[in-house]
Amino acid sequence: DGGITQSPKYLFRKEGQNVTLSCEQNLNHDAMYWYRQDPGQGLRLIYYSQIVNDFQKGDIAEGYSVSREKKESFPLTVTSAQKNPTAFYLCASSIERGDTQYFGPGTRLTVL
Amino acid sequence: EDQVTQSPEALRLQEGESSSLNCSYTVSGLRGLFWYRQDPGKGPEFLFTLYSAGEEKEKERLKATLTKKESFLHITAPKPEDSATYLCAVQARGYQKVTFGIGTKLQVIP
Repeated sequence: DGGITQSPKYLFRKEGQNVTLSCEQNLNHDAMYWYRQDPGQGLRLIYYSQIVNDFQKGDIAEGYSVSREKKESFPLTVTSAQKNPTAFYLCASSIERGDTQYFGPGTRLTVL
Repeated sequence: EDQVTQSPEALRLQEGESSSLNCSYTVSGLRGLFWYRQDPGKGPEFLFTLYSAGEEKEKERLKATLTKKESFLHITAPKPEDSATYLCAVQARGYQKVTFGIGTKLQVIP
């Protein structure tokens, strides 16, 4: 079965800690994305990657970092610089940037 | 700036009571309009992509239509399992960012 997996499903972080959210896809898609979803707001783009070893900031990249060393993987690190990290994080992929995006199941991050 | 406004914010229907969800948008040249379904605590599930005014797509009890200013998601004879939040998103030509609406939360009561 092709798809996108995210882990963990739930993540708890203490203030001052960095945490890494995993995103893997076996759809052979070139483009991958990270979004943040908060109640009462539309999805907001954090980072995107069009190809391996390349990524670009989205609208709310401050306090986040990413890497794209493999086509299948696009991990997101939430650093201690992110002031309000509690949210639902969604990873998506598309054949190419600009094509229909398909989403993973999400990771809910809570800061304690 | 691209904008997407979805209405109503919430909709409660009796099972079998057909209705429509609205997605109004402003974009400098539409490349595509997307509809997704999102269940609580889960990622959005892709439903449709529409590219040009007049286009229609159907899937089971759902039908999406597109005009130059808005899109409708028509739900015919809904069932309780259609309860979810429906998200609309638009993408402008040449500028590949996708702008999402807040969604319409649909509840279908048996």
